[in-house]
Amino acid sequence: AQRVTQPEKLLSVFKGAPVELKCNYSYSGSPELFWYVQYSRQRLQLLLRHISRESIKGFTADLNKGETSFHLKKPFAQEEDSAMYYCALTLYGGSQGNLIFGKGTKLSVKP
Amino acid sequence: DVKVTQSSRYLVKRTGEKVFLECVQDMDHENMFWYRQDPGLGLRLIYFSYDVKMKEKGDIPEGYSVSREKKERFSLILESASTNQTSMYLCASSLTGEDGYTFGSGTRLTVV
Repeated sequence: AQRVTQPEKLLSVFKGAPVELKCNYSYSGSPELFWYVQYSRQRLQLLLRHISRESIKGFTADLNKGETSFHLKKPFAQEEDSAMYYCALTLYGGSQGNLIFGKGTKLSVKP
Repeated sequence: DVKVTQSSRYLVKRTGEKVFLECVQDMDHENMFWYRQDPGLGLRLIYFSYDVKMKEKGDIPEGYSVSREKKERFSLILESASTNQTSMYLCASSLTGEDGYTFGSGTRLTVV
């Protein structure tokens, strides 16, 4: 069965420090991977997706098929990055698009 | 430009009540989903629908049912609410898998 693992429930860093939120997945096919973010009192929103290879708000994520990972990185964290982050997976080419979510990592950026 | 609307932000219901959570999207999306979000458990899929009058069970369908009579509306029904259904409920829609989801703002349900 497909699974998404985010090993850290909480990650705390200081402003300006690099940040890496870990995501590992288990799926033998060709997955499509996403990062979603939920800021305080806001709706869950798409941060970035593997297929588009774009950088949003300074975040990037690289798919490593050998390590089955899709870690989210930012070189210099900002206080406004504090939020809940979810990694998610769907089956590539799946028209129904069921997303499987990890349990989330809460990022806290301290001043 | 709200695209996925959940009718209630907060609801308080009594144990045993029948509860309806409504979700409407204006993007003409085929796929709609209901998740519950709990601390430490992430998002868990309750039901989803990929077409009008079609529904599929997700990972935790017990105690819930859904209705999709029109493309834009997907309702979640708690047949007899229980305290363990106290949670944040999120509705989402998508066009295809690769497009990702658009989420509603959520309904925080408390069952007392």
